[in-house]
Amino acid sequence: DTGVSQDPRHKITKRGQNVTFRCDPISEHNRLYWYRQTLGQGPEFLTYFQNEAQLEKSRLLSDRFSAERPKGSFSTLEIQRTEQGDSAMYLCASSLKGGRMNTEAFFGQGTRLTVV
Amino acid sequence: SQQGEEDPQALSIQEGENATMNCSYKTSINNLQWYRQNSGRGLVHLILIRSNEREKHSGRLRVTLDTSKKSSSLLITASRAADTASYFCATDAYNQGGKLIFGQGTELSVKP
Repeated sequence: DTGVSQDPRHKITKRGQNVTFRCDPISEHNRLYWYRQTLGQGPEFLTYFQNEAQLEKSRLLSDRFSAERPKGSFSTLEIQRTEQGDSAMYLCASSLKGGRMNTEAFFGQGTRLTVV
Repeated sequence: SQQGEEDPQALSIQEGENATMNCSYKTSINNLQWYRQNSGRGLVHLILIRSNEREKHSGRLRVTLDTSKKSSSLLITASRAADTASYFCATDAYNQGGKLIFGQGTELSVKP
């Protein structure tokens, strides 16, 4: 399977615990994105990388969220001291960026986080 | 706020009918993309239309782009029950650094 894969698919955690999600993008893609989606809403941008560089982090993202993409390959998204409001679907996507044009983004199946 | 706004928020039609969804955005774009999402699943890319294009087709899908009105539409012809899903437009705008910004989506229900 050469698509975007995310792990785990589901995560239930207690409030206050830390969680980490992993995303493996399509191998030749240089862009990697993280989005958060709650029920009935569109995906909300969190952060994105070009290769290993984190280019932007949403101002809506608290300091409890951190993302890395070591060596420009897979990425991890960590949420520290989880809160019930963090419950959502976390989506990862990758694309190929060339010049000013961007190709379509391919999404993984998402990680559904439930904070109890 | 979201860059793209879809209209209508929900659409219910009979199988065989056409479904039209609209998307409006605020700033100049490099391209606009449409995605489909089945309940609880990831997003699937449908069509990308660049700012210098006015219309694109893919199977039963037709996308138009009017940059003067900052709007796009997605037409699904001869709809099927399997088309039931949420549809999102996403913009890649010049002032967004290359990231995609999504609208709130249109929830399409196709009744057999």
